[in-house]
Amino acid sequence: QKEVEQDPGPLSVPEGAIVSLNCTYSNSAFQYFMWYRQYSRKGPELLMYTYSSGNKEDGRFTAQVDKSSKYISLFIRDSQPSDSATYLCAIRLGAAGNKLTFGGGTRVLVKP
Amino acid sequence: GAVVSQHPSWVICKSGTSVKIECRSLDFQATTMFWYRQFPKQSLMLMATSNEGSKATYEQGVEKDKFLINHASLTLSTLTVTSAHPEDSSFYICSATLPERGPTGEQYFGPGTRLTVT
Repeated sequence: QKEVEQDPGPLSVPEGAIVSLNCTYSNSAFQYFMWYRQYSRKGPELLMYTYSSGNKEDGRFTAQVDKSSKYISLFIRDSQPSDSATYLCAIRLGAAGNKLTFGGGTRVLVKP
Repeated sequence: GAVVSQHPSWVICKSGTSVKIECRSLDFQATTMFWYRQFPKQSLMLMATSNEGSKATYEQGVEKDKFLINHASLTLSTLTVTSAHPEDSSFYICSATLPERGPTGEQYFGPGTRLTVT
């Protein structure tokens, strides 16, 4: 079993729809949860960062963490064609210098 | 802020030669940098963790003699692929943390280097 599972997609939605992404993880010791966006042949860009269970909102993006279920989600409201990318969840134990464990990434396509 | 650059962005080399990739934190000092490789349509695979002034910590299965990492300063880490072979062709990405932000320490990624070995 992989430490972090993520549906590879592709996930195709019409422009303006809500994009719903999620990951599950196996190690309850993970403490920090991140979502990255990666365009083709580019480095990942940090979108959202959460520490505790609950919701965090930033503009059109909402991240949710449910530690009891070991489940994290990212929602993108009013999706735009420019949101078409691969979205990667990443999880980390403890301190800042610790490595990230990535999900496999979900490819999202927002159609105009 | 928190900009990480990589050079070159794309390199083609012949089998058997070595190639060096640079990773720089442009506007902050990074005590820890990470090196990843990514195959097409796959996620990032951590190769090694690099701390300034000390030897890199390699992930299981990564050949330390083949992938030489040098973190000589707080703003520069280099990855040298020695005796490259076609199977080393991949997208190599570095990242750096901002430890001064406390325990959060988000990782910021460079734009990546595409290596093609012919």
